[in-house]
Amino acid sequence: AAGVIQSPRHLIKEKRETATLKCYPIPRHDTVYWYQQGPGQDPQFLISFYEKMQSDKGSIPDRFSAQQFSDYHSELNMSSLELGDSALYFCASSLDTGELFFGEGSRLTVL
Amino acid sequence: DQQVKQNSPSLSVQEGRISILNCDYTNSMFDYFLWYKKYPAEGPTFLISISSIKDKNEDGRFTVFLNKSAKHLSLHIVPSQPGDSAVYFCAASLISSGSARQLTFGSGTQLTVLP
Repeated sequence: AAGVIQSPRHLIKEKRETATLKCYPIPRHDTVYWYQQGPGQDPQFLISFYEKMQSDKGSIPDRFSAQQFSDYHSELNMSSLELGDSALYFCASSLDTGELFFGEGSRLTVL
Repeated sequence: DQQVKQNSPSLSVQEGRISILNCDYTNSMFDYFLWYKKYPAEGPTFLISISSIKDKNEDGRFTVFLNKSAKHLSLHIVPSQPGDSAVYFCAASLISSGSARQLTFGSGTQLTVLP
């Protein structure tokens, strides 16, 4: 069965650079979520989209933005990267209010 | 202030015995609880869930118990197998705007099942 696809799996950036992460949800899932998991921390909710519109916002910094496109894939854009942005970024998708299915994550390292 | 707490960062259990993972929450508005299992370098995998209208949900070797008055839930794995060794995250959610469910995760418990 198709799962949530995230790309890239690994990304290395310098401070103050920009990074973009992509997420392709499970087909027919209408909701996409972004989570950030720092080293030794639990996943923190960043933002979600329902039917291509932002539905909820968590602890997402102002330097970050995200959107969901007409094909339901989502992109998380991170600008002015800081060392503290180094983390595993998970995307998840769900159908209606069902369980969230997570991708394998994109590991961002900021040097 | 953490709304979902897993106070045991690690747990070791002998193969064949019962594993009990605990989770406490503070927000009484949470209406749905989930357990996720995570292997290194992989995303969390959904394991089992329970609605706040129930106090028990069972799926094979996995059973989740919910005690709403104590704001406590637990995951029982019987019998435990070495392949169950992973980090287990408790998560709680409530319906937010736009029908999207926002999950609040606990900090995880590393379960090690010893052969």
